[in-house]
Amino acid sequence: DAKTTQPNSMESNEEEPVHLPCNHSTISGTDYIHWYRQLPSQGPEYVIHGLTSNVNNRMASLAIAEDRKSSTLILHRATLRDAAVYYCILRLHYGGSQGNLIFGKGTKLSVKP
Amino acid sequence: DTGVSQDPRHKITKRGQNVTFRCDPISEHNRLYWYRQTLGQGPEFLTYFQNEAQLEKSRLLSDRFSAERPKGSFSTLEIQRTEQGDSAMYLCASSLGTGAHEQFFGPGTRLTVL
Repeated sequence: DAKTTQPNSMESNEEEPVHLPCNHSTISGTDYIHWYRQLPSQGPEYVIHGLTSNVNNRMASLAIAEDRKSSTLILHRATLRDAAVYYCILRLHYGGSQGNLIFGKGTKLSVKP
Repeated sequence: DTGVSQDPRHKITKRGQNVTFRCDPISEHNRLYWYRQTLGQGPEFLTYFQNEAQLEKSRLLSDRFSAERPKGSFSTLEIQRTEQGDSAMYLCASSLGTGAHEQFFGPGTRLTVL
C-alpha cells in the first residue's frame, strides 16, 4: 500500500488558516487522497477526498499537487474545535477492494485561542 | 441518533477473561469494519464484513479474536483469554459499499486488561 508522510504536530492560532501537508510520493494513478480527523476521545471522522483536482466542502479544502505526490488540507479559519489528529490516507476506489483505511500516525493539530 | 453506536464504551477485565463488544452500524450500510487503536497510533484494520460475510481478516486478528455479523446488521467482536497487550480502543465503522464512500466511525470501546 502506498505510504503517506505527515508532520507529527502543528500549531495554529484560532481564526487563522491552517495548511496541513502530506507527502505521498509513491501514489499510483488509481489512489484517491482521503483525509480523516480524530477529535480527542472520539472515533475518526471523514473530512474530504480528491483525485487530481482541488476540492472544497463545508469543512475544508484539499489542494493536490500537479504531480499528485503531495497534497495540503486547508482549514480556512481554525477554531478550537478543530484541534485533532489529522490523517492523510491513500485509498483504492476499485469495486473489488475491501476499502479498509490504512492510517499512519497523522498530524496532531493544536489550536491556540 | 442514527450514527454508529458501540457498546460498552469502556470495559475493564482481568487477564484471561473473555470479552465481547457490540457495534450497531448505520442501518442501510452494507459494509462494517473493525479497527484497533493503541495510544499514540492511528487505527489499525482488523476485519470487515460485507452484509453477513466476513471477507477479510488482518493478520493482527489472532485466533483468540472472532467477529460475527449475523443477518448483516449489528456485529460482535469477541476476544477470548484476554492479554494485557489487548488493551486498546476498538473502533467500528460502517459504509455504504466501498470505493469513494466515506466510513462512519463509532465512538469506540476502550478495553483495559489488568
